[in-house]
Amino acid sequence: DQQVKQNSPSLSVQEGRISILNCDYTNSMFDYFLWYKKYPAEGPTFLISISSIKDKNEDGRFTVFLNKSAKHLSLHIVPSQPGDSAVYFCAARVWNTGTASKLTFGTGTRLQVTL
Amino acid sequence: DVKVTQSSRYLVKRTGEKVFLECVQDMDHENMFWYRQDPGLGLRLIYFSYDVKMKEKGDIPEGYSVSREKKERFSLILESASTNQTSMYLCASSSPIAGGSFPPYNEQFFGPGTRLTVL
Repeated sequence: DQQVKQNSPSLSVQEGRISILNCDYTNSMFDYFLWYKKYPAEGPTFLISISSIKDKNEDGRFTVFLNKSAKHLSLHIVPSQPGDSAVYFCAARVWNTGTASKLTFGTGTRLQVTL
Repeated sequence: DVKVTQSSRYLVKRTGEKVFLECVQDMDHENMFWYRQDPGLGLRLIYFSYDVKMKEKGDIPEGYSVSREKKERFSLILESASTNQTSMYLCASSSPIAGGSFPPYNEQFFGPGTRLTVL
């Protein structure tokens, strides 16, 4: 049962344009959502996050939007740069007391930014 | 600079062999995690640990075990490797989350991964 879904396995965007990566989830207990970026032969690195009590979080060229009623979040990258070409994973957390909080990851979207 | 290291970048083993994947972090983190990454399936949690000698099953623990004898080291063990365990294995660590109604997110730091091939 895939609780976090990224329905687009790949996306190609021209340099300078906006990249929009989408993510849908089913578990209403998720309280935090994150985006990770992964280059080939490297581990994922944290990019940006949003709490479930917010609907938008911005960090430089990256903005994450959360629509709780639709159980949908998106990552906007403006303007897109060639160095943004990577696989992007959406992840979600259910906070657990007493133990480590787990992340549930989506399947990833490969973004290619072309010149 | 924070660091999570994994013992091997590439590993080739034969079916039935016992395989050890080692992960070391230098950030004094309490939490450590093992994931596998497969095309079309994303990252799936195998096991995690929130303290020395403590472990909890993730979403796909079958065929794996773990060991956490020291805080900085978390080992993933394949008792009898099978071809369906060919995958990219990723280790991560994080610090515990403080209390509160909406605790902040404490980032998971990932190692570079081990590409395991089981023949």
